[in-house]
Amino acid sequence: KNQVEQSPQSLIILEGKNCTLQCNYTVSPFSNLRWYKQDTGRGPVSLTIMTFSENTKSNGRYTATLDADTKQSSLHITASQLSDSASYICVVSATGNTGKLIFGQGTTLQVKP
Amino acid sequence: NAGVTQTPKFRILKIGQSMTLQCTQDMNHNYMYWYRQDPGMGLKLIYYSVGAGITDKGEVPNGYNVSRSTTEDFPLRLELAAPSQTSVYFCASSSERALTDTQYFGPGTRLTVL
Repeated sequence: KNQVEQSPQSLIILEGKNCTLQCNYTVSPFSNLRWYKQDTGRGPVSLTIMTFSENTKSNGRYTATLDADTKQSSLHITASQLSDSASYICVVSATGNTGKLIFGQGTTLQVKP
Repeated sequence: NAGVTQTPKFRILKIGQSMTLQCTQDMNHNYMYWYRQDPGMGLKLIYYSVGAGITDKGEVPNGYNVSRSTTEDFPLRLELAAPSQTSVYFCASSSERALTDTQYFGPGTRLTVL
């Protein structure tokens, strides 16, 4: 069964600190993996998209990594800011005849001053 | 560009009532989607469209209907509202297939069915 699991479910960190969010997937055949940021009361906004051949991709203070062998991805946030408080969603794309997007349940990050 | 806009932002319905959630995009995208997001769960695809006049079911289409008469608009219709349809609904669009292209999401409609 195609699944995307994220951990932790929620996280609280102090402003200026770094953090890493995890995503494990069991999606096949794999096409790409993306991370979205969803502010409270808003729609998700794309941060990164990575294909099978990409190991890492950055978007400002956000760096995503992908290990296609172990089917794991991480999103690292550097020097967190209050505006980073949001839900972060991992989405994996399955290709082929059953191509679809499988959404993780998200990690809720709270950055405190 | 306004991107993807949705109306209304909030709505409370009684069981058995019907309503239409509106979605409009001004990016000339061919692909449009409707998702629902339940608390603590990942987004689930309800319906999608690959162009004007063409729609298809997603994972959870029961209780919903859609139409796509123009490139810009993709309304979602609930005919007989049920408490199980209490959720946040997101409309999204992309220029190419979502499997390979970035999706742009609207701000969402929070629907409560009592």
